[in-house]
Amino acid sequence: SQKIEQNSEALNIQEGKTATLTCNYTNYSPAYLQWYRQDPGRGPVFLLLIRENEKEKRKERLKVTFDTTLKQSLFHITASQPADSATYLCALDRDDKIIFGKGTRLHILP
Amino acid sequence: DVKVTQSSRYLVKRTGEKVFLECVQDMDHENMFWYRQDPGLGLRLIYFSYDVKMKEKGDIPEGYSVSREKKERFSLILESASTNQTSMYLCASSLGRGISETQYFGPGTRLLVL
Repeated sequence: SQKIEQNSEALNIQEGKTATLTCNYTNYSPAYLQWYRQDPGRGPVFLLLIRENEKEKRKERLKVTFDTTLKQSLFHITASQPADSATYLCALDRDDKIIFGKGTRLHILP
Repeated sequence: DVKVTQSSRYLVKRTGEKVFLECVQDMDHENMFWYRQDPGLGLRLIYFSYDVKMKEKGDIPEGYSVSREKKERFSLILESASTNQTSMYLCASSLGRGISETQYFGPGTRLLVL
């Protein structure tokens, strides 16, 4: 069956460093992949979308890569700040719908 | 900015009660979705709708029904609430079908069924 895997353990990163989160998928050939941010007690908020023919996408301090051979997307936050602490979800298309990974909790330590 | 609102942030109900969760979006989006989110299980799709009066089952529709009488409003109904329906419920909307359309989420309703 189709699966999306994100690191289930929380990621602790020192302020100023680059945080890298991983999204792996199996039994899929998604055309697109999205990343969302979710703060505690809130709904997810869209950050970035990357298409299968785009190797990399950037938005301010965020960078997403999409490797369809490895079936993996990496999400980078450069010059991380405590305000970047949140849960980050990846999402892929399936049968005209979106399915979400379980998310990785990121803590940026001051 | 797209705004998706949900009728309640917190709700406490008793087992067996009928529960209505309302969601309204103000951007004339075609598609609306109901998810529940539980620790360790992530976001799971309950029902979705691509048009007025139209509904389709998601991955976990059992124990739920939905109603979409107007384009901007999508209601989730728990016919007879049970304790295993205690969860965070999230509504979302998108302009078109598929991943290429960003989903906009509401703030969520945290439901406790006693």
